[in-house]
Amino acid sequence: EVQLVQSGAEVKKPGESLKISCKGSGYSFTSYWIGWVRQMPGKGLEWMGIIYPGDSDTRYSPSFQGQVTISADKSISTAFLQWSSLKASDTAMYYCARSLDYLDFWGQGTLVTVSS
Amino acid sequence: DIQMTQSPSSLSASVGDRVTITCRASPGISNYLAWYQQKPGKVPKLLIYAASTLQSGVPSRFSGSGSGTDFTLTISSLQPEDVATYYCQKYNSALGTFGQGTKVEIK
Repeated sequence: EVQLVQSGAEVKKPGESLKISCKGSGYSFTSYWIGWVRQMPGKGLEWMGIIYPGDSDTRYSPSFQGQVTISADKSISTAFLQWSSLKASDTAMYYCARSLDYLDFWGQGTLVTVSS
Repeated sequence: DIQMTQSPSSLSASVGDRVTITCRASPGISNYLAWYQQKPGKVPKLLIYAASTLQSGVPSRFSGSGSGTDFTLTISSLQPEDVATYYCQKYNSALGTFGQGTKVEIK
C-alpha cells in the first residue's frame, strides 16, 4: 500500500527556520517524483515544486523559487520542505504527494502556523 | 505561463442533478489535465487524469472530457457525499498549476 506520512504540526515565530518531512512507503521511492502543495487558510491549492529522489532533480514554481527549499534523502525514503526565515504569510497546510505529473497519492498534510 | 481558469467558483444543485464544472487552459495543454476532489477538512483526492481517465476506485458518476484548452468535469447524478471543492490541474510541463476551485453544495 502506497503511503506518504508527513511530520506533525508546527508553531513557529517569524524569522525562525523550519524543515518538514514526508516519508514514502509501499513503492519504489526513488522512481517517482514527489510534489509539494500549499493551501493557505480558506484558500485553494497551490503547486510549489517537485523533486525526483533518485537524483534530487528539483523544479520550483516561479512563485516559490527562492522562498523554500525542497530536498530528499533517498536512504530514508523521505522528502523535505524547508524555510530559512518564516513569515506570517507562510501559515498554511502543506501537502506532499507522489507525482506522476498528476498527484495520485497524498500525505495527510502538515499545518504550519507562524505567529509572534 | 499557462493560466488555468475554472468556472463557476461555486454552485448549488439538488441531489440527482447533473453537475458540470469547466476548466480553461491558455495556451492549450493537449490532455494533460487532472481533476481533484477536496471534501471539507480532508486531503485532496485524485478523481481523473489525462482529462478523461477515471482513477481506480472513483465512482462512475464522475467523468471528464476535453482536450486542448477546454475541459469539463461532470457529475452525472449529484450525491450528498459529493459536497466538496473540485480543482483542475494542468501538468504538461515540469510545473503544475491548479485552477481556483469550484465549491459544490447541495440545494
